[in-house]
This record gives sequence, C-alpha cells and structure tokens, in this order.
Amino acid sequence: GENVEQHPSTLSVQEGDSAVIKCTYSDSASNYFPWYKQELGKRPQLIIDIRSNVGEKKDQRIAVTLNKTAKHFSLHITETQPEDSAVYFCAASIGNQFYFGTGTSLTVIP
Amino acid sequence: EAGVAQSPRYKIIEKRQSVAFWCNPISGHATLYWYQQILGQGPKLLIQFQNNGVVDDSQLPKDRFSAERLKGVDSTLKIQPAKLEDSAVYLCASSASGGPETQYFGPGTRLLVL
Repeated sequence: GENVEQHPSTLSVQEGDSAVIKCTYSDSASNYFPWYKQELGKRPQLIIDIRSNVGEKKDQRIAVTLNKTAKHFSLHITETQPEDSAVYFCAASIGNQFYFGTGTSLTVIP
Repeated sequence: EAGVAQSPRYKIIEKRQSVAFWCNPISGHATLYWYQQILGQGPKLLIQFQNNGVVDDSQLPKDRFSAERLKGVDSTLKIQPAKLEDSAVYLCASSASGGPETQYFGPGTRLLVL
C-alpha cells in the first residue's frame, strides 16, 4: 500500500517568517494530495489540496507544490501568524483511499 | 450544507466494557471512513465503506472492533471488549463518490479507557 512520510515533526518559526512542510509518497498511482490543519481538540480541516495534473496551487498565504517524478509535495505558508499554530497533516489518495502523514506541529512565535 | 455529525463527543469506560460510536455523513456522500487518531499521531484508517459495502477493513482489529453501515447512510463503530490502548479519538469522515474527492471530517469521539 501507499506510504506517506512527513517532515519535520515539529517546526517553530517567528511570526512573519515562512514555514515549509514536506511529504513524500511511494505509490505513483496516488493522484490527490490534501493538506489538513488540526487545532488542539478539533477536527482536521482541509486547507488546500492539489491534484496530480497540477504542479502548484496557491491560496492567499498558503501554497502547495507537487513533484510527481520525485514523489514529493510540500506545503508553504508565508507571512506566518500566531493563529497558524497547529498540527498539519499531509495525505496521498488513490481513488477514495487516503493515507496520512504523521503530522507536523507548527508553532508560530509572536 | 451540514457537516459530518458524530456522537457521543466524549466517552469514558473501563477496560473490557463495550462502546459504540455513531456517524452521520454529509448528505449524498457515498464513501464513509472511520479513523483512529492516537494522541500525537496522524489518523489511521480503520474501515472504509462505499455505500453499504466495505472497501477496506485491513487495519480493523476484527477480534474486538466491528462497524456497519446498513442503509448506506449512518454508520456505527463498536468496540467489544475495550482495551487501554483503544484510548484515542475516533474520527468519521465522508466523501462523494467518483474519486479523487475531498473528505470531510466530523468532530470526533474522544474515548478514554480506564
């Protein structure tokens, strides 16, 4: 089955700096890559996603890039704010089956 | 559009007791997932339904866990008997059919086994 690895496991940045979280996947059949933000005690919320026919997608301060050849995708958050502090999960999907990374705990220091 | 509903939100039981969780997916979503999320980890798929059929239950501990989705809408997940290591958040998610499709999560049920 698919194996998704996520790095780093923890990340601290100063407010206003950028944060980058990277994920790799093993199955080239994966064709959909969502990113979820989970605040403490709350449900995972989809923040951005990318499909395999696209190399980059941007939504305000958040962007995702996908390199299908290398089988990796990354989340980029620019101009970080304290409210960006949360755990972020990447996932890779084959059809309707989702495989999650282990999560990155992001702390934005004011 | 209403989101995925789950109940109860919290449950505390003693080991060897039984517990059941309920999930109501987003209207019209054919695919329903149950995940187990242990503190500090990512969601781990327990079982996936497509309508009322099971797509994947390879990681479901079938000696103690069971799930059903009889009419292809609501689903229940049962643990019988519970062990200490079952303490986790149980997340239900749903997605429309025809993949790849975004899945939406419910608020989760936080289970503590004493």
